[in-house]
Amino acid sequence: QSALTQPRSVSGSPGQSVTISCTGTSSDVGGYNYVSWYQQHPGKAPKVIIYDVSKRPSGVPDRFSGSKSGNTASLTISGLQAEDEADYYCCSYAGIYSLVFGGGTKLTVL
Amino acid sequence: QVQLQESGPGLVTPSETLSLTCTVSGGSISHYYWSWIRQPPGEGLEWIGYIHYSGSTNYNPSLKSRVTISLDTSKNQFSLKLSSVTPADTAIYHCARSWPSSGGFPKDFDFWGQGTLVTVSS
Repeated sequence: QSALTQPRSVSGSPGQSVTISCTGTSSDVGGYNYVSWYQQHPGKAPKVIIYDVSKRPSGVPDRFSGSKSGNTASLTISGLQAEDEADYYCCSYAGIYSLVFGGGTKLTVL
Repeated sequence: QVQLQESGPGLVTPSETLSLTCTVSGGSISHYYWSWIRQPPGEGLEWIGYIHYSGSTNYNPSLKSRVTISLDTSKNQFSLKLSSVTPADTAIYHCARSWPSSGGFPKDFDFWGQGTLVTVSS
């Protein structure tokens, strides 16, 4: 059970869009539509922003969207805002009642 | 609003057992999965394992031989024990809640505790 692969960092200017990828295998990301994304500000608990690949919990702005193609899931943040600067983690069901996280991506809003 | 709060020693001696408790308030422990997730300083998240309110458990294969998660429904708490710790187990330990999926397993985490830093050092 290896961690999912995410870019270490991404950046964008206010108003722009950024996409964070999350690559796994057919045993996790590619095998199930159970990918979730978490936003974590420094010193805070992670907060779910996407679940079941593309669903948004109540209260999460529609600027956040998720998708999946094959073994790679993606989180897109459009209309970047300063408060979006945070760490982002993907997570996937990995079969046999287990879950696996990505290594995390630091988003910098320039 | 459901709240989760971790508690336990912040310093553990190498080779000893790390013990943490998560207290759930604002909701029942029933009908959900309850997980422990850790985050070494400056690193990513690692799922440790979960317990279902029925008492069934499952653990990360990489930690399975050292982990025990238990539940105390009367206190609305669940606990983590990690044995034979080394400095590599130094991390912020979070507890978190999951809804069951249609297949009857946890698939994401909707409520998290703030986390508690546990340092393994002599």
